[in-house]
Parts: sequence; structure tokens; C-alpha cells
Amino acid sequence: KQEVTQIPAALSVPEGENLVLNCSFTDSAIYNLQWFRQDPGKGLTSLLLIQSSQREQTSGRLNASLDKSSGRSTLYIAASQPGDSATYLCAVAGGGSRLTFGEGTQLTVNP
Amino acid sequence: GAVVSQHPSWVICKSGTSVKIECRSLDFQATTMFWYRQFPKQSLMLMATSNEGSKATYEQGVEKDKFLINHASLTLSTLTVTSAHPEDSSFYICSARDWLAGEIVGETQYFGPGTRLLVL
Repeated sequence: KQEVTQIPAALSVPEGENLVLNCSFTDSAIYNLQWFRQDPGKGLTSLLLIQSSQREQTSGRLNASLDKSSGRSTLYIAASQPGDSATYLCAVAGGGSRLTFGEGTQLTVNP
Repeated sequence: GAVVSQHPSWVICKSGTSVKIECRSLDFQATTMFWYRQFPKQSLMLMATSNEGSKATYEQGVEKDKFLINHASLTLSTLTVTSAHPEDSSFYICSARDWLAGEIVGETQYFGPGTRLLVL
């Protein structure tokens, strides 16, 4: 059974800092890995999707990497802003498009 | 971009009643939709996979007679929580994959905004 772990559970940084969120998974037989953002009481917004054959994806200030063999992914956020404050979820896709989610990292960026 | 809506966004009901939650893909067709449940301070847990025109596939531990899923069209799936109890209070989120001309378009699942259920 796939298990996804995210570290840290919570993170508070001053505005402008670069930061890294970590995600690890136990079964390397995945189709892809996605990073999502969830604002309080809201649904999910997809940030980046990395196919199993890819090493990284970039979108604006966000960069996600994937090391499938070691079961790890990182989400790098450059020059953090207060608007980045949210919970960031990592999810891996297995057979049948079933997503297994981590418990998330709650990020607070202080002005 | 692809949009998924859910209705209602909030529902409060008495214990023992049934609640229906709708999930719609607004600008694309979805032969497959997914239903997730999220308890406070926890992550999303997949409950079931909803397939248009066929029976849903439930995850281990999810009671299919309690959580009825109907995927009647390519743009609508419904989740009915039957005889709801306080322990069913949770945030229910659906997602859908884009389907065009018989092929799945991309791998991204598009998520709805969620429905918060409170059972008194």
C-alpha cells in the first residue's frame, strides 16, 4: 500500500525567503506526482505535475523535482510572498489514476 | 481551464437524514470522477471511483450502501450519504479527468471546491 509523507507538517517563514517542501513515498511504481495547493476550507489547485519519466517541472516561482528511485520529491518556492500561505499537498498517482495524498505542509509567509 | 463545480458547498442536516452532493464538470466531459473525504487537519482520502454508465469502485473500508454514487452522465456524478451520522461530518471533494474523443486528455485531475457536511 502506497504511503506518502510530507515534511515539515508546518512551516512559518518571513516574506522573501526561498523554501523547500519535502514529500516521500514508499512505492516507486508511480505514474506521476502532483503538487497541490489548498486554501482553508477550499478545494485543491494543481500547481505542478511531474510524469514518472521526468525529473522536474517549473512554473513561475515554483520548481518541483522527482527522484522516483528514492521515492522523493521536493517543491521549491522562490521569493515567498504572503499570498503563498496555504497548505501544500503532494499526491502520487498509481494504477487507475488513483491518487494517494500526503498530509500536507501548512505554510505561513509573514509580511 | 477545466472547471469542476460542487453543490451544495455547505450542508447541515439532522442525524438519520440523507444528503446528496453533486459534482459537475462544466466545460469538459469526464467518464471518470473521484470522490474524496477530508477530516480536519488530515489529508484527502479516496472513497470511490465513479464511472459513467457503470458501478462505482469503492476503496477498502468505505461502505457502498452508505455512500451511494451515481454517474448518470459524462458531466455529472452524485454522492448520497444515506442515514448520515455525526461521524460522517467531513469535507467531501470530487475530482474529474478530462475525456475527449475517446481518449483521456492529460493526467491532471481537476478538483471541485468541496462540500462541507455537518451532521447534528
